[in-house]
Amino acid sequence: EAEVAQSPRYKITEKSQAVAFWCDPISGHATLYWYRQILGQGPELLVQFQDESVVDDSQLPKDRFSAERLKGVDSTLKIQPAELGDSAMYLCASSFVGQNTGELFFGEGSRLTVL
Amino acid sequence: SQQGEEDPQALSIQEGENATMNCSYKTSINNLQWYRQNSGRGLVHLILIRSNEREKHSGRLRVTLDTSKKSSSLLITASRAADTASYFCAGGGTYKYIFGTGTRLKVLA
Repeated sequence: EAEVAQSPRYKITEKSQAVAFWCDPISGHATLYWYRQILGQGPELLVQFQDESVVDDSQLPKDRFSAERLKGVDSTLKIQPAELGDSAMYLCASSFVGQNTGELFFGEGSRLTVL
Repeated sequence: SQQGEEDPQALSIQEGENATMNCSYKTSINNLQWYRQNSGRGLVHLILIRSNEREKHSGRLRVTLDTSKKSSSLLITASRAADTASYFCAGGGTYKYIFGTGTRLKVLA
């Protein structure tokens, strides 16, 4: 069964360091989402891609976060510099445009701890 | 920002009992979805209900939607220990989904 792949699964870093997360969506899924989930809360949308284009990054803290999906397939989310408040689970999800089921397929997430 | 609120925030029941969770959302939606998340894992899609539907069933799951009240409910019948997880509703347009705050369900064996 196709899955959304994310790496690393866990990341511990010190504040002010740079961090990067990678996501490979299910093949054929044109829409890719990055969510941030703070412990005990629901996922919060950071950025949404349609193919290689950003369609929504209104909640992305652009002074320190960046996201790209250069070839419209896999994606990277970067944080530089990391702050203590960035400690969270970073979830990637994808969906198939045109199917109109709206179902999101999530990866297992990348848990970030900033010390 | 969260789309809405799930209620209750936490629920503890005995195995075999039914569990009901409610979700309220803020904006107009095309559909509403429910997801399950086991501790430390990604979210798994459970069921989707469209804005023109009022009720939907899938196995032990029953979802209702009241667009006039901007609310939805998820009923899990005959709960099992394996149902222990957090449950989230997500409302929005066809391709953009904003999640609620979640209900933490614990099913005691």
